[in-house]
Amino acid sequence: GAGVSQTPSNKVTEKGKYVELRCDPISGHTALYWYRQSLGQGPEFLIYFQGTGAADDSGLPNDRFFAVRPEGSVSTLKIQRTERGDSAVYLCASSLNGGGNYEQYFGPGTRLTVT
Amino acid sequence: EDQVTQSPEALRLQEGESSSLNCSYTVSGLRGLFWYRQDPGKGPEFLFTLYSAGEEKEKERLKATLTKKESFLHITAPKPEDSATYLCAVAGGTSYGKLTFGQGTILTVHP
Repeated sequence: GAGVSQTPSNKVTEKGKYVELRCDPISGHTALYWYRQSLGQGPEFLIYFQGTGAADDSGLPNDRFFAVRPEGSVSTLKIQRTERGDSAVYLCASSLNGGGNYEQYFGPGTRLTVT
Repeated sequence: EDQVTQSPEALRLQEGESSSLNCSYTVSGLRGLFWYRQDPGKGPEFLFTLYSAGEEKEKERLKATLTKKESFLHITAPKPEDSATYLCAVAGGTSYGKLTFGQGTILTVHP
C-alpha cells in the first residue's frame, strides 16, 4: 500500500518568509509525528498527534512553529518568520496507534533551506 | 530525559566481514526500542522493534538483540547494499510515543 508522503520534497525560502509543509500519513494510522533532522544527526521530535489533537508538542522549538491535523489525516507544519537555523530535513511519520508500542513509518522528508 | 548513544559513529567493513553496532540507552519505562535504516536523501526505514530484555529479532543478514541497558545490531556477512546509516531510537514510558534517536552509525561495506 501507499506509504507516508510529504510535499514539497524541497523548499527554498528567504529569511523571514512563511512556509507550510504537508504530510499525508498511511491510511488508517491514527498517530502522526513530525521530526526534524540536521545533517549528521538523528531525527529530533517536534510534535505528536493522536487523531486531530496534538498530544505532545514539547519538541516545538518556539512559537514560530505550529502544526495542525484538522480531520485526523493530513497534517501541515507551519513555520512563521523563518530563520537560517530552521534549515533542515523535516520528517513526518505515522503509526497505527500512539503510545510507543507501535512502529512509526517515515516519509521521505521535506528539505527546507532558508537563505 | 530519555537518552540514546550509538557507537561507533562510522564503521567500514569488507564484504563478508561480520560485525556489530551498539546502542546504549537510558529511559524511564521502556515501551519499545526501534532500529531503522536510512539511505542518503531518504526517510528512515523501519527494521525492528524490541520490547523487553532478552528479546531477539532477525531479518536476512541482520539480527537485533536487547538488554536492559543496550541493544546490538549484528550484521552477518554484509554486502555492499547494506551500506547505510543505522539509527536506534527508544520510546519511554512518559513519552506517549515520541521517539528519541541516537546520532546513527554510518556503515560502509566495501566489495
